[in-house]
Amino acid sequence: AQSVAQPEDQVNVAEGNPLTVKCTYSVSGNPYLFWYVQYPNRGLQFLLKYITGDNLVKGSYGFEAEFNKSQTSFHLKKPSALVSDSALYFCAVTYNFNKFYFGSGTKLNVKP
Amino acid sequence: GAVVSQHPSWVICKSGTSVKIECRSLDFQATTMFWYRQFPKQSLMLMATSNEGSKATYEQGVEKDKFLINHASLTLSTLTVTSAHPEDSSFYICSATGTGGETQYFGPGTRLLVL
Repeated sequence: AQSVAQPEDQVNVAEGNPLTVKCTYSVSGNPYLFWYVQYPNRGLQFLLKYITGDNLVKGSYGFEAEFNKSQTSFHLKKPSALVSDSALYFCAVTYNFNKFYFGSGTKLNVKP
Repeated sequence: GAVVSQHPSWVICKSGTSVKIECRSLDFQATTMFWYRQFPKQSLMLMATSNEGSKATYEQGVEKDKFLINHASLTLSTLTVTSAHPEDSSFYICSATGTGGETQYFGPGTRLLVL
């Protein structure tokens, strides 16, 4: 069973508009959720995480994500997209920090 | 903080040779290191997890005799691709977690091309 899913291969948004990159996870214990961004030919950069506490977490570069237990989702959002946000975004979940499950990735295209 | 480096960033080798990739945590002690493989336009595939001083735990389908992992210190893990073949060409990425182990920090990746 897939532990984390990113239903959109690609998201297109105009610069200045809000963006959302979706992520849902399979219920199996208490999930800890992460978002990473990958630029071409680079490793992954950590954006934000939900471990416990406030369901709305704020991260790097103005990104935020909301942990929604009832919908088993952890969508990544930003109020105003920048062209420089164009990259590949990965959602990841772990239940014990011994193994992380990554989504298939969503390519974000921000057009000027 | 939490910087992970990989060396080399690019490597091209002939089929049959062995290639060693180093992963270092520069400003923290990495109690656990992970090795991933990423194919073009695909997600990361976990190959193995290693803890300092112990044998690596390999994922199902990953040949441990082909992909040798050594985690000799709290700041260094190495992945050796033995007798590399063209199908081993890929982007290899390592990550590390420190004490507490909540967040994985990733290296910049190593692109391997086997001719």
